[in-house]
Amino acid sequence: TQLLEQSPQFLSIQEGENLTVYCNSSSVFSSLQWYRQEPGEGPVLLVTVVTGGEVKKLKRLTFQFGDARKDSSLHITAAQPGDTGLYLCAGHTGTASKLTFGTGTRLQVTL
Amino acid sequence: NAGVMQNPRHLVRRRGQEARLRCSPMKGHSHVYWYRQLPEEGLKFMVYLQKENIIDESGMPKERFSAEFPKEGPSILRIQQVVRGDSAAYFCASSLEWGVPMNTEAFFGQGTRLTVV
Repeated sequence: TQLLEQSPQFLSIQEGENLTVYCNSSSVFSSLQWYRQEPGEGPVLLVTVVTGGEVKKLKRLTFQFGDARKDSSLHITAAQPGDTGLYLCAGHTGTASKLTFGTGTRLQVTL
Repeated sequence: NAGVMQNPRHLVRRRGQEARLRCSPMKGHSHVYWYRQLPEEGLKFMVYLQKENIIDESGMPKERFSAEFPKEGPSILRIQQVVRGDSAAYFCASSLEWGVPMNTEAFFGQGTRLTVV
């Protein structure tokens, strides 16, 4: 059973466009993290959200945690080729629980 | 402040051999996760360990795979009698503790790419 579904699965856009990636679940998460992974490398942590309704900004990236803590979104403004990569959401459903990953969104930004 | 260290980065094994993958967590981290990633796919949970304890091994194949995280030394993921289907990237992550959400942030190593020939 896949707890975290991400959409879209693939996204190819041009430099300067905006995009939103979604991470949805039927489970409540105590915390949720977003990672970016580049080919041949391990996932790199971008942000952790904890509180329902929380919004965090990291330069051109805006992360939101749903009020019910069952979903999250990542919005990128004015995408750049350096944003290309695999974006993964991951969350814990409670204490002492494994970190479960979403299905991933593969983003390609072209010039 | 070294991050999560995995070695080797690349490992080639013939079918039937054993593969040992090592993971040294970040300093002060006592929780370790192992994940497997096939090409063009997401990360699949394998096992979650704390020092000297296996907390959750629900993602581990029932045979040939084992993991440990001893009191001293790195965590080891061991695959016995490897088969071609074991070829994948294996990632280790570590976190600080439980109970405080921000302290459950997991940091990943660069992975070990296992190729079975």
